[in-house]
Amino acid sequence: EVQLVQSGAEVKKPGESLRISCKGSGYSFTSYWISWVRQMPGKGLEWMGRIDPSDSYTNYSPSFQGHVTISADKSISTAYLQWSSLKASDTAMYYCARQGGGSYGGAFDYWGQGTLVTVSS
Amino acid sequence: EIVMTQSPATLSVSPGERATLSCRASQSVSSNLAWYQQKPGQAPRLLIYGASTRATGIPARFSGSGSGTEFTLTISSLQSEDFAVYYCQQYNNWPPGTFGGGTKVEIK
Repeated sequence: EVQLVQSGAEVKKPGESLRISCKGSGYSFTSYWISWVRQMPGKGLEWMGRIDPSDSYTNYSPSFQGHVTISADKSISTAYLQWSSLKASDTAMYYCARQGGGSYGGAFDYWGQGTLVTVSS
Repeated sequence: EIVMTQSPATLSVSPGERATLSCRASQSVSSNLAWYQQKPGQAPRLLIYGASTRATGIPARFSGSGSGTEFTLTISSLQSEDFAVYYCQQYNNWPPGTFGGGTKVEIK
């Protein structure tokens, strides 16, 4: 069974750093891109960026480039999303999602359960 | 960057009725379009990919159509479990893989 399991909720202060994780199982982790998607409270979905776990090549949305870093450790089938200096506006639910291969093209066929990040002083 | 526009923002439908949701792209995305369903407190779920192919386990009452810039998601007979928010997403031009703003389907 394919699963993406994300790390737990985080409460941080502005200026702090953070790394959240997404562990894949039940499939070949290096065969599918992993994307990160933000959902601010009461709002829609925003694609942030993606990584090819086989070589750690990344793409970012212009809206998030330079504000977050996406990485992966293929030895433990885990992708990461990190911030060096959080802002209150980073408060949101963050999802990882697998980009389906083959006929799925770029559609996200599996999603993690989400990680809620709260940034407050 | 391709902009995806969904309409209406909210759709009020009675159970058993048909729901038609629209998604428009600012430029052609061919058939590289997906639809997702999101219920409160849950992660999104893939319904349709390739504009018209149902994902595994998705009931036949969900259907997608369109290509280029105009797309439609139709729910033929709404069930109670279908009241949710629906998002379209283009994956023809990366980055970014843009989502539409969503359509909330609520009980009339």
